[in-house]
Order: sequence, then structure tokens, then C-alpha cells
Amino acid sequence: EAGVVQSPRYKIIEKKQPVAFWCNPISGHNTLYWYRQNLGQGPELLIRYENEEAVDDSQLPKDRFSAERLKGVDSTLKIQPAELGDSAVYLCASSPLAGRDEQFFGPGTRLTVL
Amino acid sequence: AQSVTQLGSHVSVSEGALVLLRCNYSSSVPPYLFWYVQYPNQGLQLLLKYTTGATLVKGINGFEAEFKKSETSFHLTKPSAHMSDAAEYFCAVSGFTGGFKTIFGAGTRLFVKA
Repeated sequence: EAGVVQSPRYKIIEKKQPVAFWCNPISGHNTLYWYRQNLGQGPELLIRYENEEAVDDSQLPKDRFSAERLKGVDSTLKIQPAELGDSAVYLCASSPLAGRDEQFFGPGTRLTVL
Repeated sequence: AQSVTQLGSHVSVSEGALVLLRCNYSSSVPPYLFWYVQYPNQGLQLLLKYTTGATLVKGINGFEAEFKKSETSFHLTKPSAHMSDAAEYFCAVSGFTGGFKTIFGAGTRLFVKA
């Protein structure tokens, strides 16, 4: 079974530039998560999808961050414009259902904003 | 509201010694509890989880955890540490509070000395 795929693995950009991350979840998983992980911290939820519907985006900075999940499968997270404080690892995870099911994580995208 | 506290950002043990990583949680609803491990430059992977039933949960790689409701704890243990156990460990709590939300602790980095 293929795991959660993320690309790119690393991205270096200058502040004020746009950036996008892509995630392909495990086949059949209805729930998709985007997390941000700062150095030395645990993952913090940005947005959670149930199929194609964003059901929890309360922690997503909507002035600069956007996300979409086309046809309830792949997902893209975008930042425009990026700020220095956005430097972090962006993790995508998926699970069959939210709550009691374990989450399967991708390797993450390490973003550096200069 | 839910929260997770991991006591000790760093724990160091000798190879063959007992591993004990502490986790305390707060939840207004019956919690689902998880331990995840993260190796460098990788995503998180599940070690074990508690949903309902037996309070002593066994996971992969010889780890186990015990859910103690009276102490609101879910400490992770392993009788004998191995060099390959060196990694970052995250405790997480999930529960239904108008929608499922998973909260991760800040993590504990485990060092194993030869």
C-alpha cells in the first residue's frame, strides 16, 4: 500500500513570494489533514477535510493561506505571500475517518523563507 | 477543550535501560489517545493508540502505554531501550467536541546512550 505522498520535500523562497505544497493521501482515506510543525514543536492543525469539504479551518491564516481538495482526493496548500515566520515543516496526513483512527503522515515539506 | 502535556522535552537513557516518556492530557469528553514516533526528516508514525477497552495498550517495537483516567495520564514505556529507539515521540489526544480534533503534545526527544 502506497503511503501519503508530498511534494516538494524542500522549498526555499524569498519572503513575499508564493509557494504551494501538494499532497496525495492514501487511497480510500476520506479525511485529510494539513499540519504545520515548527522546530521543536508538535504538529498544529491548519485544516481538515472530510472528502472535499473543509470541516475545520479555524487555525488557517486565511489572509495568506488557502487550500483545496479536488474531487476529495489530492490536496494543495498555498501561501501567498510568504513571511519569514512561515518557515516550518508542512505535514499532510490522512485517515479513514477522523477521531479514533490513526493518522498516516507524509514525509513533509520543509519550507525556508529568506 | 483538550490539551496535552509531555513532561520533559529531552530524555536520555542507556541502552538496555527502561524508557519512560510521560504524557498528561486534559479532555472534557472521553479521549482517544495516541503515541506517535518521528525519525529525522520523516513524518510521524503510530506506535499505539487507546480508544476503548483494555487500559494497557501494546504497540510496535516493544512499546506499551497505560491509560489511567484518574491520573489523566498515558505514559509510554519500553522495558529495554535500543539504539534504534532514538527519535522524537509525540503524545496526542482526540475527542469529539462539536467535531473531532486531535491535539499533539510538544514532543519528547529520546536519546539512547551506548
